[in-house]
Amino acid sequence: QSVLTQPPSVSAAPGQRVTISCSGSSSNIGNNYVSWYQQLPGTAPKLLIFDNNKRPSGIPDRFSGSKSGTSATLGITGLQTGDEADYYCGTWDSSLGLLYVFGAGTKVTVL
Amino acid sequence: QVQLVESGGGVVQPGRSLRLSCAASGFSFSSYAMHWVRQAPGKGLEWVAVISYDGRNKYYAESVKGRFTISRDNSKNTLYLQMNSLRVEDTAVYYCARVGFVGAIFRTFDIWGQGTMVTVCS
Repeated sequence: QSVLTQPPSVSAAPGQRVTISCSGSSSNIGNNYVSWYQQLPGTAPKLLIFDNNKRPSGIPDRFSGSKSGTSATLGITGLQTGDEADYYCGTWDSSLGLLYVFGAGTKVTVL
Repeated sequence: QVQLVESGGGVVQPGRSLRLSCAASGFSFSSYAMHWVRQAPGKGLEWVAVISYDGRNKYYAESVKGRFTISRDNSKNTLYLQMNSLRVEDTAVYYCARVGFVGAIFRTFDIWGQGTMVTVCS
């Protein structure tokens, strides 16, 4: 049972937009920056969004992040087949000492 | 180029020990905190431990506290994870990852290694 709640899967046709939610609490998302990581099949995770809504160099602006209260959202526009992957939200949590927590992951399928 | 390369994984019996290494290159290793994150087969990501840039501060997940020890040798640009009293549930791919801000601990992970597989079975 993950501290951060994500939908198990989302899907859409190529070119469409999807959003992935990440719900937490005041001990994690509510008081810390959220990051999003993309994991393509058989590869290591890759940073997609940091500090709630910032993109590292090289990440296209089709990917966006936002945060409101104790929830965060990842948006992907202009969906491409290469976006099929697992997406994880993550942040620091202070409820039981200091530790980093991930959501369970959301599988994005391009129909 | 900035790179992290893990090694040391393998098959080990329950109760035994294993030490993982993560060799860093292409950046000033001694300026960045480092993490270990694991992923059990077919499962999601689980944070394991973090160590500050100077090795003075360390934090662990409850699931490994008292059994795993994170350490680093800045002269060798290498991060370690000493895993003792291994359990079947420790079976996973272990990734090392860099904190994305110089000197910081509680920030995002911006660079990940390719992972090393640890299998604990009898």
